[in-house]
Amino acid sequence: GQQLNQSPQSMFIQEGEDVSMNCTSSSIFNTWLWYKQDPGEGPVLLIALYKAGELTSNGRLTAQFGITRKDSFLNISASIPSDVGIYFCAGENTGNQFYFGTGTSLTVIP
Amino acid sequence: KAGVTQTPRYLIKTRGQQVTLSCSPISGHRSVSWYQQTPGQGLQFLFEYFSETQRNKGNFPGRFSGRQFSNSRSEMNVSTLELGDSALYLCASRRTVPIGPGNTIYFGEGSWLTVV
Repeated sequence: GQQLNQSPQSMFIQEGEDVSMNCTSSSIFNTWLWYKQDPGEGPVLLIALYKAGELTSNGRLTAQFGITRKDSFLNISASIPSDVGIYFCAGENTGNQFYFGTGTSLTVIP
Repeated sequence: KAGVTQTPRYLIKTRGQQVTLSCSPISGHRSVSWYQQTPGQGLQFLFEYFSETQRNKGNFPGRFSGRQFSNSRSEMNVSTLELGDSALYLCASRRTVPIGPGNTIYFGEGSWLTVV
């Protein structure tokens, strides 16, 4: 099925650094969701966005719904070791179908 | 409220066997979707059920099937297992509102299937 373009594929950063990742689509989406997945576990919802331009925070995480409705960004500030994992974006199109990004693998070096 | 519950968490099957995985959605959620996740392949959509009817289907062979019961619980079945079916199978539920807050997918912890 269709997948969103998510970048970067992987990141290796020092503890304390900020992180930024994004997802883009060729289609307009009504909803953008961001998830974190730890090894062997299911994805856990981090942030949900429902309106173009919307900026939402969850602790050190901030995500934005792009104005064009074709992209979304997730930022993590002051990374810590427990931020390690795979981050997925998901977008819902006008037909109420969800599509997923390929994931960004984040490694935080203490 | 309880999250999405999947059983079993881990299982090992032999090639050629069949397997059934179960999913109980969040209370009040009527839509259940299934995904296959393998390293390097991301989340691959299998199918979605809503009110006991299959609403959408991904590009998987007919060996993969599912169903949903009147209480919204869902099962997926894989027959004639192949080595390549080894994966994490994730179930997700949502309320299914047209647009806006609440239109969110929640995942279970997954069922790890190993085919030997």
